[in-house]
Amino acid sequence: ETGVTQSPTHLIKTRGQQVTLRCSSQSGHNTVSWYQQALGQGPQFIFQYYREEENGRGNFPPRFSGLQFPNYSSELNVNALELDDSALYLCASSSGEFVSYEQYFGPGTRLTVT
Amino acid sequence: AQRVTQPEKLLSVFKGAPVELKCNYSYSGSPELFWYVQYSRQRLQLLLRHISRESIKGFTADLNKGETSFHLKKPFAQEEDSAMYYCALRGNYGQNFVFGPGTRLSVLP
Repeated sequence: ETGVTQSPTHLIKTRGQQVTLRCSSQSGHNTVSWYQQALGQGPQFIFQYYREEENGRGNFPPRFSGLQFPNYSSELNVNALELDDSALYLCASSSGEFVSYEQYFGPGTRLTVT
Repeated sequence: AQRVTQPEKLLSVFKGAPVELKCNYSYSGSPELFWYVQYSRQRLQLLLRHISRESIKGFTADLNKGETSFHLKKPFAQEEDSAMYYCALRGNYGQNFVFGPGTRLSVLP
C-alpha cells in the first residue's frame, strides 16, 4: 500500500503566473481534498474531488481549479498567482463521497510567489 | 459561518503534568469535531473524533455543545506528545472541513 504523494516538493513562481500541483492518492481511495496552509495557520479547505467531479468547495476564488483523473490522482491549478498564494498546499485522500475524517495527508508542496 | 478557534499558539508543560488544549467552534448545526496532530517531520494525521469517545495515546476530548467547545486533555503529558495539534470540524453535509489555527504543545523534561 502506497501513501499519498505530492509533487513538486517546492516551487517558486512569479506573480501573475500559473501553477499546477500534483497529488497521487493512497491506493484504494477515490476522493481527494486540497488544502492551503499559510504560515502559522491551520489548513484551509479548497475543494474536494470524488470520482472525477468537484463535490465540495471552500471559500476560494475560481482561479483555483482542479482535476481528478480516472486513477484518482489529482491536480490543483492556480491561475494569476498572487503574493498571498504563497503557502503549503496539502492534498489528502480518503474513500467515500464526502470529506472524510479518515483522510490521509501528503507531505505538501511549498509554493512561493514572488 | 463555520469557525474553529484555538486560543493558544504555544503551550508548554512539564513531563507528567496535565495538559489541556482548548478548542472552540461556531457552527449553526451539529458538526462533527476532530483533533489532528502533526509530529515533527511527519504528516498531519487524525488523533481522535468526538463520535468515537475513545482515548487515543491517553488523550480524550469531550464535546460540550453548550459552550461550543471540544478541549483535548491528557492527565500526564509525555515528551513524545510534543507536536502541533489542530482542532477541526466537519459540517452536516460533509462537504467542508474547517481547521483551527493550531496549538504547538511542548512537553519539557
